[in-house]
Amino acid sequence: LAKTTQPISMDSYEGQEVNITCSHNNIATNDYITWYQQFPSQGPRFIIQGYKTKVTNEVASLFIPADRKSSTLSLPRVSLSDTAVYYCLVGDNDFNKFYFGSGTKLNVKP
Amino acid sequence: GAGVSQTPSNKVTEKGKYVELRCDPISGHTALYWYRQSLGQGPEFLIYFQGTGAADDSGLPNDRFFAVRPEGSVSTLKIQRTERGDSAVYLCASSLRQGTAFFGQGTRLTVV
Repeated sequence: LAKTTQPISMDSYEGQEVNITCSHNNIATNDYITWYQQFPSQGPRFIIQGYKTKVTNEVASLFIPADRKSSTLSLPRVSLSDTAVYYCLVGDNDFNKFYFGSGTKLNVKP
Repeated sequence: GAGVSQTPSNKVTEKGKYVELRCDPISGHTALYWYRQSLGQGPEFLIYFQGTGAADDSGLPNDRFFAVRPEGSVSTLKIQRTERGDSAVYLCASSLRQGTAFFGQGTRLTVV
């Protein structure tokens, strides 16, 4: 079960690009990397998933280097509403194997 | 429904009582998961269903916890002889594809 390491918290200002890096040194060949966002009093919400290189959707980009031992979630031009906890998860094809960890608390300031 | 629905949203119970927490997954999702989240912590895996069967229940903390999904849709998490340490938010999620699980709002359980 691959564990992940993320910064406990980050601060940013509105309009800035935010990059949150996650370390997963023991990632296995079949593992995917998935990021979730969680607001207070809500369940986590899927943001993006990738296996290698770069993935982009309407919300974020995910950068994964060739060795896959880390990944970076990039949020372009954050707003106050992006203040939340962001979780990096690594797991194989069975989602139940995912380990959430404590996540990164992003605080976006005006 | 449009999303994963969990009921009740809040439950206060006395120590030693029995509680049931219900989860209605997204229609058609074959996989269903239960997680538990304490304040300031990430969700902690409890149990995973694929269809009607529990494919992995390794996260259940002890035999006071049990979950069922008799028809492969709605699931119920059952907690016997509740303890104050069981107080947490219980999250349910469902998925159709690996990794992209959709979570409900959770049930906040308070044992007094």
